[in-house]
Amino acid sequence: SAVISQKPSRDICQRGTSLTIQCQVDSQVTMMFWYRQQPGQSLTLIATANQGSEATYESGFVIDKFPISRPNLTFSTLTVSNMSPEDSSIYLCSVEDDRVTKQYFGPGTRLTVT
Amino acid sequence: GDSVTQMEGPVTLSEEAFLTINCTYTATGYPSLFWYVQYPGEGLQLLLKATKADDKGSNKGFEATYRKETTSFHLEKGSVQVSDSAVYFCARAAAGNKLTFGGGTRVLVKP
Repeated sequence: SAVISQKPSRDICQRGTSLTIQCQVDSQVTMMFWYRQQPGQSLTLIATANQGSEATYESGFVIDKFPISRPNLTFSTLTVSNMSPEDSSIYLCSVEDDRVTKQYFGPGTRLTVT
Repeated sequence: GDSVTQMEGPVTLSEEAFLTINCTYTATGYPSLFWYVQYPGEGLQLLLKATKADDKGSNKGFEATYRKETTSFHLEKGSVQVSDSAVYFCARAAAGNKLTFGGGTRVLVKP
């Protein structure tokens, strides 16, 4: 199984600022995903990040608001830009293990925007 | 589009009771189906999965059977414990290995 870490684990930010969340995996993976879990809600996919190509965003999410980097097969970042209180959520990265059709999730980054 | 619908919670049970959480999905192709669990203060963990019709996923006493005819993947456990208190998410895989999640069901097991 893949072990995933995220930094920071939580943060409190002021509106209008930006936060970059890091996701590190202990093995090389092709597909990485970023999800958002708003308070008391389910998970919603933000984008798919594959190494060597532009991230693919889901409906309702745009690159200007959530720029993503994927510089190599073990690392990705998600930036939440120009934050507002509505961005307060848990942000999770996940990776796909192609061999066993499983997705593993990181511990999440709990973001509060004041 | 792809969607997953699961019963709303919270579900409150006594220890050793039988648990069922209903989950249905939209039938676009033959997606893999999953149950994830989120224990209090912890991250999301895969509980079980099924990749084709009539497959039964099982783990930690939980079971779910992939029912193509009813497009369902209900989660069951015969005798719950306090430690099973968590939020359970049903999910289906879509194109590109993306997961679509249901709304989550909070389960509270009382001693």
